[in-house]
Amino acid sequence: DGGITQSPKYLFRKEGQNVTLSCEQNLNHDAMYWYRQDPGQGLRLIYYSQIVNDFQKGDIAEGYSVSREKKESFPLTVTSAQKNPTAFYLCASSIGGRTYGYTFGSGTRLTVV
Amino acid sequence: EDQVTQSPEALRLQEGESSSLNCSYTVSGLRGLFWYRQDPGKGPEFLFTLYSAGEEKEKERLKATLTKKESFLHITAPKPEDSATYLCAVQDDSWGKLQFGAGTQVVVTP
Repeated sequence: DGGITQSPKYLFRKEGQNVTLSCEQNLNHDAMYWYRQDPGQGLRLIYYSQIVNDFQKGDIAEGYSVSREKKESFPLTVTSAQKNPTAFYLCASSIGGRTYGYTFGSGTRLTVV
Repeated sequence: EDQVTQSPEALRLQEGESSSLNCSYTVSGLRGLFWYRQDPGKGPEFLFTLYSAGEEKEKERLKATLTKKESFLHITAPKPEDSATYLCAVQDDSWGKLQFGAGTQVVVTP
């Protein structure tokens, strides 16, 4: 079945450490997105990518980095510069251009220890 | 700046007690309004897309409607399995990014 796979489901980060969240899709979607979800707040866009080897900053890109070397993969790195990284991270994909609704992954919960 | 506001923040219903959730939006040019359902610890699940005022969509006990300034998600005779957070999002540009509201948490008790 087609879908989006995020891993790991739970991730613990020590102070000053970089961590990478994985996102893989087999839907043949052109566009991919990373959102952050905090309690009581809406999903906030971190980065998005329309095509391979191209990506743009969203509303809260500081302290994060991404790459898009393959159509299927859009990993997110949470760097030590992100001072409050504890959150639920969601990856999504859509048919490029006009949106017919995102397909979301199951999320990664990141906790700083 | 585009804004999406959902109300109420939380809603507690008895099984069978119908109610409505509201999503009000300000956007320069609405290209689509989306409703998602999210269960705890999981990714959102797509429910509906509405494109123009007056449009309605239905799925089981859920019905979504759209006006020029807001959308409603009506839950008719809810069951405990309808308990979830319902998210509203708008698309305001030609490319496809969505702006999300904070969601309404619905709890349906037997």
